[in-house]
Amino acid sequence: QKEVEQDPGPLSVPEGAIVSLNCTYSNSAFQYFMWYRQYSRKGPELLMYTYSSGNKEDGRFTAQVDKSSKYISLFIRDSQPSDSATYLCAMIDQGAQKLVFGQGTRLTINP
Amino acid sequence: NAGVMQNPRHLVRRRGQEARLRCSPMKGHSHVYWYRQLPEEGLKFMVYLQKENIIDESGMPKERFSAEFPKEGPSILRIQQVVRGDSAAYFCASSPGDRAAFFGQGTRLTVV
Repeated sequence: QKEVEQDPGPLSVPEGAIVSLNCTYSNSAFQYFMWYRQYSRKGPELLMYTYSSGNKEDGRFTAQVDKSSKYISLFIRDSQPSDSATYLCAMIDQGAQKLVFGQGTRLTINP
Repeated sequence: NAGVMQNPRHLVRRRGQEARLRCSPMKGHSHVYWYRQLPEEGLKFMVYLQKENIIDESGMPKERFSAEFPKEGPSILRIQQVVRGDSAAYFCASSPGDRAAFFGQGTRLTVV
């Protein structure tokens, strides 16, 4: 079993829809949770960074962490074609220093 | 403040040659990570370094791969005697130590 599970998709939605991306994990020591966006042939770009359980909002993006269920989510409101990319979740435990990534979900927003 | 700089962006090597990938972290960042990404796959951790120290190399293949982060200059990922299976995108990330890492644009290695 992988430490971090993420549905690779692909996921295709119409412009303006609310997008929900999710990851589950098995390591209860994970405390820091991140979402990255990666455009084709580019490096991953940090979108959201949260510590422990709760919600964090930044513009059209909302990150949620539910440690009791070992489940994290990224919501994108009013999705735009420019949001089309691969979204990677990542997490790290308090003692370690390496990021563990999910496989990434390929998202396409159709105009 | 420039981001994480990786060079070269593209590198072609013949089987058996050596590949050297360079990474200059963001200013003020003393933690460097290297990841490998194969087509249609996620990012796989290779090594974590701080200045002059390898902290965690649990993701590095046991042979032919090495990494360093000297006191002065960029971090180097070195692959000796490359084989076709080494063809991938190699990403470097840096962090100031609060665990939020920022990535470079990657080096795409092609072994022919």
